[in-house]
Formats: sequence, structure tokens, C-alpha cells
Amino acid sequence: ETGVTQSPTHLIKTRGQQVTLRCSSQSGHNTVSWYQQALGQGPQFIFQYYREEENGRGNFPPRFSGLQFPNYSSELNVNALELDDSALYLCASSLDDSEQFFGPGTRLTVL
Amino acid sequence: AQSVTQPDIHITVSEGASLELRCNYSYGATPYLFWYVQSPGQGLQLLLKYFSGDTLVQGIKGFEAEFKRSQSSFNLRKPSVHWSDAAEYFCAVGARGTDKLIFGTGTRLQVFP
Repeated sequence: ETGVTQSPTHLIKTRGQQVTLRCSSQSGHNTVSWYQQALGQGPQFIFQYYREEENGRGNFPPRFSGLQFPNYSSELNVNALELDDSALYLCASSLDDSEQFFGPGTRLTVL
Repeated sequence: AQSVTQPDIHITVSEGASLELRCNYSYGATPYLFWYVQSPGQGLQLLLKYFSGDTLVQGIKGFEAEFKRSQSSFNLRKPSVHWSDAAEYFCAVGARGTDKLIFGTGTRLQVFP
């Protein structure tokens, strides 16, 4: 059974650019959640997708958007990058009401 | 407001000593409670969870936690710490297993030989 994977591992962008982060959920999981973890902080919920529909959103601006595909993999897109977007982005997958399993994260640096 | 407080930013213990990491929460509904561990540059690994039933829960790597509703606490304990336990520990609360999780700011554990 393959766990949650994320790509890329690391990414460097400049202010104003756009970025796409990818997540492959654990086999059979239909729910994907995205979190942002700034340095020295706990993860903060961005949004969740359930069966390709957004199913809850945290306190993040609309320039943070996402997609979930029929195979339940997911993308996180961030437009107009700001310096404060520098963080570790974590993806977690789950099946219905089970616990969330986290991927290793993507480290985004915005210069 | 929903929140999780981990009062200890940094804890240092000697290998073999006992450990207790504190977690207090504020949550309107019946909480689902979790402890995660994060090694440097890694994602989060679930140590244990509490949904209902016995308030003392056992997890992986010899960890346990006790849910105390009257104190809104879910403290993590280990009787004898190993050097490999050095990591960042996060307490989290949610409404269900798959609901958005609210995390504390974490406690960094250092273990000295």
C-alpha cells in the first residue's frame, strides 16, 4: 500500500509568480486536505476536497485554490505569491471518517 | 473560539527519564483529539488519537495520552524516553476524524544521553 506522496520536495519562486503543488493520496482514500506550516508554527488548514468537491476552507485568500481529480489526487495552486507564503505545505488523505495520513510535504520558498 | 494550546515550546529531558507534554484545547463540540510527531524535514506521523470511550489511550512507540474533559486537556506521556524520540510534537483537535484539524504550535523535545 503506497502512502501519501507529494511533489516537488522543494521549490523556489519569486514574488508574484504562481505555483502548483501536487499530492497523491493513499490508495482508496477519497478525501484530501491541505495545510500550510510556517516555520516554527503548527499546520494551518487551507481546504479539503471530498470526491472532487471542495468540502471546507480555512482562513486563506482566494488566490489559494485547489483541485481533486477522479483518481483522488489533488493540486494546490497559489497565485500572486507573497513572501509570507514561504512554508511547508502538507497534504493529508483519508477515507470517509477515518484518520488523516500526512505526506512528507513540499517546502516552498518565495524570494 | 476553537484553539489548541501547547504551553511548553521546548522541553529537554535525559534519555530514560519520563516525559509529559501538555495540551489544552478549546472546542465547542465533542472533540476528536490527536497527537502527531514531526521529525526535521518530515511530514506528520500520528502517535495516537482519542474519539470516545476509555480516556487513557495507547499509541505507537510507547506513548500514551489521557483525555480529561473537566480540564480540557489531552497530555501526552512516555515512561522512558529514547534518544530517537527527539522531534517536534503537535496536539490537534477536530470534529471528526477527517474534519479540518486545529493544531497547537508544537513542543520541541530534546533528549540528552
